[in-house]
Amino acid sequence: DGGITQSPKYLFRKEGQNVTLSCEQNLNHDAMYWYRQDPGQGLRLIYYSQIVNDFQKGDIAEGYSVSREKKESFPLTVTSAQKNPTAFYLCASSSPGLNTEAFFGQGTRLTVV
Amino acid sequence: QKEVEQNSGPLSVPEGAIASLNCTYSDRGSQSFFWYRQYSGKSPELIMFIYSNGDKEDGRFTAQLNKASQYVSLLIRDSQPSDSATYLCAVNQNNNDMRFGAGTRLTVKP
Repeated sequence: DGGITQSPKYLFRKEGQNVTLSCEQNLNHDAMYWYRQDPGQGLRLIYYSQIVNDFQKGDIAEGYSVSREKKESFPLTVTSAQKNPTAFYLCASSSPGLNTEAFFGQGTRLTVV
Repeated sequence: QKEVEQNSGPLSVPEGAIASLNCTYSDRGSQSFFWYRQYSGKSPELIMFIYSNGDKEDGRFTAQLNKASQYVSLLIRDSQPSDSATYLCAVNQNNNDMRFGAGTRLTVKP
């Protein structure tokens, strides 16, 4: 089945530790995205990538880092510089062009204690 | 000014009524517009997309776009309790830069 896989679904980390969230897609999509969602809020764009080895900052990139070494993979690292990392993280992908929807993974709920 | 704005709600309608959800966007060059539904704790799922001015109907859902007013809306006819969710407006601004609104929480009361 084609789709986007995020792992893990739930993640707990101690404050001050870096953590990497996985996102893999087999839809052959060029564009991939990372969003953060806080309770009762919408999606805020962290980073997006249109092609391999290229990515752009979104609205809230501070404290996060990404890589795009392969078309299928777009991991997100939440660093210790992110002051309030507890949130629901969503990865998405889409085909090139303006008139294409974004498909989402199931999300990773990160809790920092 | 936020790039994509929605009324956060909550919006409450009785079962069988029409629910009207609104969205405005700031980037006049935006080309495509999407409505997603998100149930609590789940990832968003696409309901409809619209690219051209006017109305687009799909079953009980109608999307309306007015690029001159930078306004897009979603109408849900014959609302059902299962429609209770958060509805997210998304705008593809440029070069696959997809931005979302804060979402409108809809409750349909039996």
